[in-house]
Amino acid sequence: GDSVTQMEGPVTLSEEAFLTINCTYTATGYPSLFWYVQYPGEGLQLLLKATKADDKGSNKGFEATYRKETTSFHLEKGSVQVSDSAVYFCALRGLTFGSGTRLQVQP
Amino acid sequence: KAGVTQTPRYLIKTRGQQVTLSCSPISGHRSVSWYQQTPGQGLQFLFEYFSETQRNKGNFPGRFSGRQFSNSRSEMNVSTLELGDSALYLCASSSGTSGSGSDTQYFGPGTRLTVL
Repeated sequence: GDSVTQMEGPVTLSEEAFLTINCTYTATGYPSLFWYVQYPGEGLQLLLKATKADDKGSNKGFEATYRKETTSFHLEKGSVQVSDSAVYFCALRGLTFGSGTRLQVQP
Repeated sequence: KAGVTQTPRYLIKTRGQQVTLSCSPISGHRSVSWYQQTPGQGLQFLFEYFSETQRNKGNFPGRFSGRQFSNSRSEMNVSTLELGDSALYLCASSSGTSGSGSDTQYFGPGTRLTVL
């Protein structure tokens, strides 16, 4: 069945550092891939998505490229801010979620 | 457009009781999905309803059930509560029309259930 594996957290970075959160998946076919973010005390909200191989999703400085050959959808941001501190979830077909990666950005 | 709303926001129950949680989707959305979020297990899919029919189901015992009404509002019921059912229950809505899992889901703030 479908599954998503995310890197363990927490990830602690200083402001303006480069961010990578790894996500790999197992699925049949060509599933849509998502990154959702959960800020403290809130529900999840969509950060970006990609619906086919080689698509790049981007939003608020975050990017992720759908790599079918490596079954990956890694999240990247060139310069993180304190306001990016949250839990990030990689998801497959919108129903299967990774365990979440907590990001803490220090000023 | 109003977002997804969930009621109640907080609930405290004792073992053996049952509970019903409610979710109102974004207007026009026909799909509602439910998730259980716990620190140990992360976010786990419970079930999805589309146009009053259960379309997908996760791997949870039969104590967990749901339904969807003609106005797309959904309820989730847990019977014979156990301590391990303590969690944040999230509801998400989407248009549900793609059928291929490419729809963006819009999440509510969740209902925090504590079982004593």
